[in-house]
Amino acid sequence: AQTVTQSQPEMSVQEAETVTLSCTYDTSENNYYLFWYKQPPSRQMILVIRQEAYKQQNATENRFSVNFQKAAKSFSLKISDSQLGDTAMYFCAFMTGGGADGLTFGKGTHLIIQP
Amino acid sequence: EAQVTQNPRYLITVTGKKLTVTCSQNMNHEYMSWYRQDPGLGLRQIYYSMNVEVTDKGDVPEGYKVSRKEKRNFPLILESPSPNQTSLYFCASSPVPGQGPDYGYTFGSGTRLTVV
Repeated sequence: AQTVTQSQPEMSVQEAETVTLSCTYDTSENNYYLFWYKQPPSRQMILVIRQEAYKQQNATENRFSVNFQKAAKSFSLKISDSQLGDTAMYFCAFMTGGGADGLTFGKGTHLIIQP
Repeated sequence: EAQVTQNPRYLITVTGKKLTVTCSQNMNHEYMSWYRQDPGLGLRQIYYSMNVEVTDKGDVPEGYKVSRKEKRNFPLILESPSPNQTSLYFCASSPVPGQGPDYGYTFGSGTRLTVV
């Protein structure tokens, strides 16, 4: 079984700053996928960024990027030039290579962007 | 629009009264899952399905049933709801990884269930 740990229950930064959310995971699988989901107050779950474990290159989506360290089983999310609309819960999630058995989530980090 | 549709969005019910939360996806995804979200616990998987007529238990299946008679639909059934099933529920679907760049689960908008 996989576990996902997010060690920061809450973080607060000023608008325009850069913030990094941490995530570690434990698995015996070699082929898997990792995700960051955003949940704003509307409660919708929005996929922010995804990473295949077999790719060494870190994924990037506009202001969002990850630092994927496979040996350390670490998958942190960096948000550059943070905006008020980035205020949300952020969940790190793990999916096995087959994908059929769904996602294993961390408990989330509540990110607050201050004006 | 590609989406996962859950109904209802909100539901208040009484203990023991059977209910069904519907979930439908229009993306022809093979995989579907149900999750519940509780404060401080994150999202936990209830059931998942690999394809039609193939379902399996997740981490917290007690008190729930599912069925997958059609590829697009994956209803969640609470035959005798109890107050500890008060939660926010999400349905999600995913294509088979490796079949395209858009792998990963797409979520419905959630169902807020209160059992009194």
